[in-house]
Amino acid sequence: NAGVMQNPRHLVRRRGQEARLRCSPMKGHSHVYWYRQLPEEGLKFMVYLQKENIIDESGMPKERFSAEFPKEGPSILRIQQVVRGDSAAYFCASSPQATNEKLFFGSGTQLSVL
Amino acid sequence: EDQVTQSPEALRLQEGESSSLNCSYTVSGLRGLFWYRQDPGKGPEFLFTLYSAGEEKEKERLKATLTKKESFLHITAPKPEDSATYLCAADTGNQFYFGTGTSLTVIP
Repeated sequence: NAGVMQNPRHLVRRRGQEARLRCSPMKGHSHVYWYRQLPEEGLKFMVYLQKENIIDESGMPKERFSAEFPKEGPSILRIQQVVRGDSAAYFCASSPQATNEKLFFGSGTQLSVL
Repeated sequence: EDQVTQSPEALRLQEGESSSLNCSYTVSGLRGLFWYRQDPGKGPEFLFTLYSAGEEKEKERLKATLTKKESFLHITAPKPEDSATYLCAADTGNQFYFGTGTSLTVIP
């Protein structure tokens, strides 16, 4: 039973390019969460999705960031026109039901913006 | 404002030297307090969930406790392999609020 799979592990982009981060939740999990982690900072909530629905995007920047979790395929976190401040580790987590349950985390995608 | 604060930021222990990590939380409606371990370059790995004040959970050298305002992670006779960053998170039912973690180094 594979865990939460994130790819790529490392992503390098130049300013102004687009970054697409992928997350396949654990089998049987229909709830996906995206977090961002900066050095010396805690994990910051970005967005919570269920299949085909965004449940809570209160942590997402209003511009350039979007997320989806289609009926088929992985969840995608998309960052358009990246800037240096977007450089961070992005973690995806999944759970079988909404909250009150432990989250299973992937190994993260380290985004570096040159 | 919902907030989770961990202390100390970093902790160095000799092998066998027991200690405690603190997690203070100020959230509206705590549904669960979670502890995770994170190794460099990896995602957090679940350790414990505590749901009510007075609850305790143990796993090997680790024991987590919960009060109405804070949680402690007690490490008894730590080993070098316990070196990691320990994160706590408060689940409010809407989202998880994470602390910034305690970086633990256990010296042989």
